[in-house]
Amino acid sequence: GAVVSQHPSWVICKSGTSVKIECRSLDFQATTMFWYRQFPKQSLMLMATSNEGSKATYEQGVEKDKFLINHASLTLSTLTVTSAHPEDSSFYICSAKSGGLSSYNSPLHFGNGTRLTVT
Amino acid sequence: GQQVMQIPQYQHVQEGEDFTTYCNSSTTLSNIQWYKQRPGGHPVFLIQLVKSGEVKKQKRLTFQFGEAKKNSSLHITATQTTDVGTYFCAGQEYGNKLVFGAGTILRVKS
Repeated sequence: GAVVSQHPSWVICKSGTSVKIECRSLDFQATTMFWYRQFPKQSLMLMATSNEGSKATYEQGVEKDKFLINHASLTLSTLTVTSAHPEDSSFYICSAKSGGLSSYNSPLHFGNGTRLTVT
Repeated sequence: GQQVMQIPQYQHVQEGEDFTTYCNSSTTLSNIQWYKQRPGGHPVFLIQLVKSGEVKKQKRLTFQFGEAKKNSSLHITATQTTDVGTYFCAGQEYGNKLVFGAGTILRVKS
């Protein structure tokens, strides 16, 4: 089945530093990837839709200058949390669809997630 | 905008008891998907329902999609400890993004 790899699994950083999270589709090409944020015991909140070769589409309330998304290839999207603060501590999960151009209603394949702790 | 409501928020059952979680969308959906997230893990796709009134089964799990394509349910028969986790429904309007419900946390006492 479709596999999405996310790295790192966890990261601890100091306030003010930046953290980059990678999301790779290992056995399929993903023109679109999605970045979610999840607080403990809560649902997944879509942050942005990452489009290969173009700018990401951010959800309302998500700061695009704070959460930089780059989707440089069909198998890699990155999320950079810039100038991280303790309130950015959360579980970040990426996902992708494997159905190509006709994948708009295809299920999502999730990465393992990245637990970010900002001290 | 589209909202997907899911209840209950939390359920603690005795092993062997049945469990049901319900999902209701504010708008008509093109499809609804169900995911399971184990504690400390990531969501894993379980099933997708597309047709009005559709019923699908996976062993002890039964998934239903309402006639109006606005609600859905997941029923687990005779729960086991391996069923623990959070079950999310996610609804998608035609051509739009997937919207997740709040999830139902299932705990099974052996």
